[in-house]
Amino acid sequence: AQSVTQLDSQVPVFEEAPVELRCNYSSSVSVYLFWYVQYPNQGLQLLLKYLSGSTLVKGINGFEAEFNKSQTSFHLRKPSVHISDTAEYFCAVSEDNDMRFGAGTRLTVKP
Amino acid sequence: AAGVIQSPRHLIKEKRETATLKCYPIPRHDTVYWYQQGPGQDPQFLISFYEKMQSDKGSIPDRFSAQQFSDYHSELNMSSLELGDSALYFCASSLEGGGDEQFFGPGTRLTVL
Repeated sequence: AQSVTQLDSQVPVFEEAPVELRCNYSSSVSVYLFWYVQYPNQGLQLLLKYLSGSTLVKGINGFEAEFNKSQTSFHLRKPSVHISDTAEYFCAVSEDNDMRFGAGTRLTVKP
Repeated sequence: AAGVIQSPRHLIKEKRETATLKCYPIPRHDTVYWYQQGPGQDPQFLISFYEKMQSDKGSIPDRFSAQQFSDYHSELNMSSLELGDSALYFCASSLEGGGDEQFFGPGTRLTVL
């Protein structure tokens, strides 16, 4: 079965700094990859997804992620973060509609 | 655009009581998923339904049951509630053949006292 590892449980950064949230996955077949954001006391909002095609995926709020099959990674990046980006970020892998989430990375943006 | 609707948004129950959570998928979506997210945890898959039939089962306790109705809405029934059942319960929906993308509802926060 597929699984997801988010290597950092917490990432503190200063406002306007770049950020990378790391995600590695394991699967025996082709998968679909997702990043979701969860603001405090709210539901999961899709940031971006990789289904096929270009390995560089652009999402909402200026985020992007790159699918690297050889390294089985799908790291999330943003060149300049805002205070409002403070949230929990979940990487997820789906195989045959079976979705598994990583443990989450709490991004805290400081002024 | 219409999104996944969950009701109620908040629910407070006492131990050993029962609770029913409802999920209304996006129109035309035929697959519904239930997830449980404990405090500070990642969402854990509970169960899913496709065309009113159970399609997959995750870590759903025997005290819980669910079903999908003819209008594709789904209900998660929880009995003999325990303190540890306090969590955020998400429903998601998708369209078979829609590239595995699941659309999540806002969640129901269940608190068991």
